[in-house]
Amino acid sequence: KAGVTQTPRYLIKTRGQQVTLSCSPISGHRSVSWYQQTPGQGLQFLFEYFSETQRNKGNFPGRFSGRQFSNSRSEMNVSTLELGDSALYLCASSLEEGAFGMGYGYTFGSGTRLTVV
Amino acid sequence: SQQGEEDPQALSIQEGENATMNCSYKTSINNLQWYRQNSGRGLVHLILIRSNEREKHSGRLRVTLDTSKKSSSLLITASRAADTASYFCATGPNDYKLSFGAGTTVTVRA
Repeated sequence: KAGVTQTPRYLIKTRGQQVTLSCSPISGHRSVSWYQQTPGQGLQFLFEYFSETQRNKGNFPGRFSGRQFSNSRSEMNVSTLELGDSALYLCASSLEEGAFGMGYGYTFGSGTRLTVV
Repeated sequence: SQQGEEDPQALSIQEGENATMNCSYKTSINNLQWYRQNSGRGLVHLILIRSNEREKHSGRLRVTLDTSKKSSSLLITASRAADTASYFCATGPNDYKLSFGAGTTVTVRA
């Protein structure tokens, strides 16, 4: 079956602009998470959605926001872009099956490479 | 901030050799996972080990977990050029998020 699809693959934006990234999870997966990856900070959690509800949010400024639609597709938005927002943005989906503590792996998309100039 | 640290930061080995990398974490966990990332692409889930497990195998991969030392190791046996990648450990999910280590970059020389 199709994997996690992220669009666009690459994006160049100017400081002050805003950007919207899209993520389509694996069919049937209801949990969608977003991560930011930079050389300096590594992989940082942005937020997680399940059935259109944000269940957790990472330590990022309010310029970073997201949402999930009824079909589980998710978007994240960054407003007033700064140079430091340049990063690889990764989306992950999960079926979240199993009892609490059993754990579950995530399937990641190929990411959106955002460059802010 | 990241949950833990990985050691070494980089590793260069000859094809056919084994590669071992370690991950230490700070807080108690339910699960620990290992992921591979090829050259700035997405992460690929390799293996998940639960806190009540000590060792797990998947093909050429062997993962150990020592909760008393808050550490885990990933062993790749008989490495191949295709194993060249960055490897990340991640604890969780806790509160629906994974906490990643800084990663180990593995280069397999032909």
